[in-house]
Parts: sequence; structure tokens; C-alpha cells
Amino acid sequence: DSGVTQTPKHLITATGQRVTLRCSPRSGDLSVYWYQQSLDQGLQFLIQYYNGEERAKGNILERFSAQQFPDLHSELNLSSLELGDSALYFCASSIIAGGPVEQFFGPGTRLTVL
Amino acid sequence: GENVEQHPSTLSVQEGDSAVIKCTYSDSASNYFPWYKQELGKRPQLIIDIRSNVGEKKDQRIAVTLNKTAKHFSLHITETQPEDSAVYFCAASRNFNKFYFGSGTKLNVKP
Repeated sequence: DSGVTQTPKHLITATGQRVTLRCSPRSGDLSVYWYQQSLDQGLQFLIQYYNGEERAKGNILERFSAQQFPDLHSELNLSSLELGDSALYFCASSIIAGGPVEQFFGPGTRLTVL
Repeated sequence: GENVEQHPSTLSVQEGDSAVIKCTYSDSASNYFPWYKQELGKRPQLIIDIRSNVGEKKDQRIAVTLNKTAKHFSLHITETQPEDSAVYFCAASRNFNKFYFGSGTKLNVKP
């Protein structure tokens, strides 16, 4: 157990819908990263937050948005869902942004869009 | 942006043999290169990492080498065991912000 929690574990929804994925980082970690892993694919970096502020942006679609709250948990919002958005979504946390500190991954949320 | 390529996509070795996985990157400013192991249905876990000011790092049976001039880095696993079977991902990052991952190598260690 990495100490990073993600809810829900599984999510099944229909095209055109909107969902919210939630991530709670390890106690003391200020930085949260979001990744998308499609079937049999590598990890695509989506976005990073540090202490409530957006720090870095990757290949995140305009239909997707995220935020980090004062209690440091983060939410990833996916809207106008398409079949191709079906994937495993991981969040990871680390103590600080910048610096050789390990990212600890959560268990992931498996999103299925029908 | 950064582009990380990883080879081979699958690797099958006999228990006790060595396994080598190679990655190349495109952004010469990348300065941090972690390797992750992902078992089926589980989260990625860091197994070793290397910074750009170091050419090689070893941790028991696992080692990573970095060639900054050629922009490639490799994972070496010696004396492989069945429990090493998993998907391995390399990644590259500039200043620990954006992380760009390779497409993964499925390692199968046959007993």
C-alpha cells in the first residue's frame, strides 16, 4: 500500500457523460500527478499540481480538467466522454515538486465508457 | 516535447539469465530517468532511478546505465527470477515535473 488513495476503483458510464475521479495523496506529500494508461499502453502524463497550484501540463485534453484543494486532495474531471477515454487513471504523489523524490502511485481508477 | 522510445516490447528469458531493456529520449534537457515495474492489475512501482550527473547506478540485481551523449539509458536485471516477470516502464523528466514514459516492456522469466 503506497498511502495514495483513489476513488472510485471502477467507473462505468456512457458517452457524453461527465465524471470526477478523486485522489488523496500520502500524508505530507504536496505534489500530485495524474496519468492515463490505456489498454496495453504506457503511462501518459496529464497534469501536475503542487500545493494547490498547477505546476506542469502534459497531453491533457481540453475536455479534462483538474484541481488540487487546500487539503491537498485532487480531482480529475472528465467531460463529454468518448469511447477512447476508457482507460486506467492513476494519480501519484511526492513530497515536493522538483528534487529526486519518488512518486508513489495510487491503485488507479478504471474508467469504462460505453 | 520529449519522446521516449523503449525496446523491446516483449522479452522472454530463462530464470537465472540477464535481461536488458533499452530506452532513448529526445530532449537533451531531461535530467531524471526512473524505471517502474508494474505487475498485472497493480500500480507502477519505482525500482531504480538515475540522474543525469551519474553514468551508472546499481541496486542488488538491478542496474541502470545512462549515456547522455547518445541520449539513451538501459535497465539491466541479472540472475532473473520468476517474480521479476512484469511490465517495466522507463521514463524521462526535466526537473521532476513532466514525466514522459516509454511504451513498456513485458518481461517473462521462465522457470
